[in-house]
Amino acid sequence: GQSLEQPSEVTAVEGAIVQINCTYQTSGFYGLSWYQQHDGGAPTFLSYNALDGLEETGRFSSFLSRSDSYGYLLLQELQMKDSASYFCAVRDRGTGGFKTIFGAGTRLFVKA
Amino acid sequence: DTEVTQTPKHLVMGMTNKKSLKCEQHMGHRAMYWYKQKAKKPPELMFVYSYEKLSINESVPSRFSPECPNSSLLNLHLHALQPEDSALYLCASSQDLAGRQPQHFGDGTRLSIL
Repeated sequence: GQSLEQPSEVTAVEGAIVQINCTYQTSGFYGLSWYQQHDGGAPTFLSYNALDGLEETGRFSSFLSRSDSYGYLLLQELQMKDSASYFCAVRDRGTGGFKTIFGAGTRLFVKA
Repeated sequence: DTEVTQTPKHLVMGMTNKKSLKCEQHMGHRAMYWYKQKAKKPPELMFVYSYEKLSINESVPSRFSPECPNSSLLNLHLHALQPEDSALYLCASSQDLAGRQPQHFGDGTRLSIL
């Protein structure tokens, strides 16, 4: 089967650093993405890792270890506006072609 | 505002109605998607179109019928829906189906079935 696991909720204070972990078990693997979704809004793309290592984009970084089927999203200098749901998503290839499988999401609460 | 435009933003319909959801993008993307999202749940893939051809149908009931009239437009025709079909319907597009290409989502249509 295919599954992605990430924590359901994380709480942190403004200015802090938070790490959201994601482990996956899929039949194929063509990359790990992270999306942010505010309540009532659309998911927005944050980052993508196809190879092992760290990708940095501003305050956000994402890490992948394919041998461990594991990745994480690191958010630095947290701001109140970072309160949102964060989804890890695996790119897999089925009989019909490539598709994206989303994890259940992690709700991040940033406190003042 | 997103680069993927979905209309209408809200839709209330009865179980016997026929309606359509529309999605438009002008980024030159050749892959387009329909997702269904329930509250506090992740998006669930319904359909994938690649170069205007249906690539993936995730065993979606036939009361949902997708259509891709051209490379910029994606429709989802609805007929005889059930109350459990009430959800946020998201359209997304990407440059193509390659893994590195991010998906750009529209703001969604919030559908309520009476």
